[in-house]
Amino acid sequence: IAGITQAPTSQILAAGRRMTLRCTQDMRHNAMYWYRQDLGLGLRLIHYSNTAGTTGKGEVPDGYSVSRANTDDFPLTLASAVPSQTSVYFCASSDGSSGANVLTFGAGSRLTVL
Amino acid sequence: GQNIDQPTEMTATEGAIVQINCTYQTSGFNGLFWYQQHAGEAPTFLSYNVLDGLEEKGRFSSFLSRSKGYSYLLLKELQMKDSASYLCAVSSGDYKLSFGAGTTVTVRA
Repeated sequence: IAGITQAPTSQILAAGRRMTLRCTQDMRHNAMYWYRQDLGLGLRLIHYSNTAGTTGKGEVPDGYSVSRANTDDFPLTLASAVPSQTSVYFCASSDGSSGANVLTFGAGSRLTVL
Repeated sequence: GQNIDQPTEMTATEGAIVQINCTYQTSGFNGLFWYQQHAGEAPTFLSYNVLDGLEEKGRFSSFLSRSKGYSYLLLKELQMKDSASYLCAVSSGDYKLSFGAGTTVTVRA
């Protein structure tokens, strides 16, 4: 089934540890995104990539890094996790970065930092 | 930055109509989107408006007024399965989507 796969589904992590959230899409979409969703704040953009080999910062990039080595994969890394990074993380993709830029979302990764 | 406002919660009866309002202030505008998100699931696309007016898609309709920075999502003939959060999102000058905090709609029998 075409779509976006995120892993892990859920993770509990000690503060200070490094963590990579994986995201893979099989729709050959050019653009990919990482959002975090927190109660009362909605979805906030962390980082994005308009095409393989390029990345950009979103609204809340601090403490996170991304890479886009190929079209399909867009991992999000927390170099040294802090409790404020406890959230649900959604990866998304779209077939373009302009016009009716409809996003397809993955199922989410719930991260708890203690 | 973007400023997108929508009510936090709404409750309606099965079979009724509910209108979810969204106001926005953004730097640049390339369209307004509505997404539906059931609890514990990913958001899914509902509608897109880039020109003023009403877009109808079955039981759901979305309206846009660019001059007023205003949109609404209209849900008709409400069903229990429509209980979900509805997210208003605006595509700004750089085509990135900014989301409102979402409106949780509860449909009661």
